Amino acid sequence: GAVVSQHPSWVICKSGTSVKIECRSLDFQATTMFWYRQFPKQSLMLMATSNEGSKATYEQGVEKDKFLINHASLTLSTLTVTSAHPEDSSFYICSARSIEAFFGQGTRLTVV
Amino acid sequence: DQQVKQNSPSLSVQEGRISILNCDYTNSMFDYFLWYKKYPAEGPTFLISISSIKDKNEDGRFTVFLNKSAKHLSLHIVPSQPGDSAVYFCAASVGSNSGYALNFGKGTSLLVTP
Repeated sequence: GAVVSQHPSWVICKSGTSVKIECRSLDFQATTMFWYRQFPKQSLMLMATSNEGSKATYEQGVEKDKFLINHASLTLSTLTVTSAHPEDSSFYICSARSIEAFFGQGTRLTVV
Repeated sequence: DQQVKQNSPSLSVQEGRISILNCDYTNSMFDYFLWYKKYPAEGPTFLISISSIKDKNEDGRFTVFLNKSAKHLSLHIVPSQPGDSAVYFCAASVGSNSGYALNFGKGTSLLVTP
């Protein structure tokens, strides 16, 4: 089946620094990719929809200046958490759909 | 507002028996439904899906039932195996088009005991 690869799988960073997470669709072209965030024992919450060649669409309550999304090609979307704070610590997952949605491995971000 | 609800946070089943995971939704526009299995610190893995034109879809030990009038779907796992122990997420979308995001429930943690 289709594979979505996400990197890194975990990262620890200091408060105030920025972290970039990459999401690649390995065997299909993804015009649209999705970024989710999961808090412990909670659902996957959609943060934004990443559209190749255009601006991302952010869900209500998600700061677009804090969570920068770039979808420069049909196989790569990146999420940059800018000026990270401890409350940004979470599990971030990207996804791309052909029909079913395929998910990356997720990135565990810890901001200290 | 949670449009997809999984009201049972956990379920424990004996090996060999049937596991039934339930899911309800509120948005009548949803017409494509999926179940995912997830382990901690990993991305969800697709299990099975169903379109609203069907009321049942079966794949090996996994069967999904859809009751549109009740806005309810369920995942049956028969027979349950210890390796099935994981968190199961129900998801729904408007259409199966690649441009539509999935709406997830909060998940049900399934434990299959030997």
